[in-house]
Amino acid sequence: GAGVSQSPSNKVTEKGKDVELRCDPISGHTALYWYRQSLGQGLEFLIYFQGNSAPDKSGLPSDRFSAERTGGSVSTLTIQRTQQEDSAVYLCASSLGQGTYNEQFFGPGTRLTVL
Amino acid sequence: AQSVTQLGSHVSVSEGALVLLRCNYSSSVPPYLFWYVQYPNQGLQLLLKYTTGATLVKGINGFEAEFKKSETSFHLTKPSAHMSDAAEYFCAVRAAGGTSYGKLTFGQGTILTVHP
Repeated sequence: GAGVSQSPSNKVTEKGKDVELRCDPISGHTALYWYRQSLGQGLEFLIYFQGNSAPDKSGLPSDRFSAERTGGSVSTLTIQRTQQEDSAVYLCASSLGQGTYNEQFFGPGTRLTVL
Repeated sequence: AQSVTQLGSHVSVSEGALVLLRCNYSSSVPPYLFWYVQYPNQGLQLLLKYTTGATLVKGINGFEAEFKKSETSFHLTKPSAHMSDAAEYFCAVRAAGGTSYGKLTFGQGTILTVHP
């Protein structure tokens, strides 16, 4: 079946605008993760969802960042009032469950550039 | 809390030579350890993982890694480098329990260059 897909693949926006990044996990995967990959910070965890449990938002860098997961499937990461330091590749991953033996499969990422 | 340190942001080897990418971790709970590879403009792909049991784990593309608890290390090796191994490699740790359960903590990455 298809892997994790993300859209758009590239996004260029102006400082102060809001952006939405989409992630379609592998069908049947109950756990979904967002990570950010930037030159200065490397790969950082942002947020994860597991089934109907409250998401772990501990990695979100500010209250301008939020994410939701509708119907236990598709997830949207929203960044409000974007800043230049938000420029990065945003990676989504999904797994069958939260358990350690469940491999996280990564999407190709969305490259966000804030001008 | 856990952290990962990858020694050497760039490693260059000749084709056919041994590949050694170093990873040390810190974890307050028993760790589960992973190596991922990222080819240009692609997502991360799992190479191998250590959870429990045998400390020498074998992965795809001829890579293997050994978990050494006493040294808090999980170095990645391959006996003979191939041109197609050129990529960026990430070591990651995941807590076996506690409040950090589920999320991966990554090292800064090592770019492997293979020259003829």
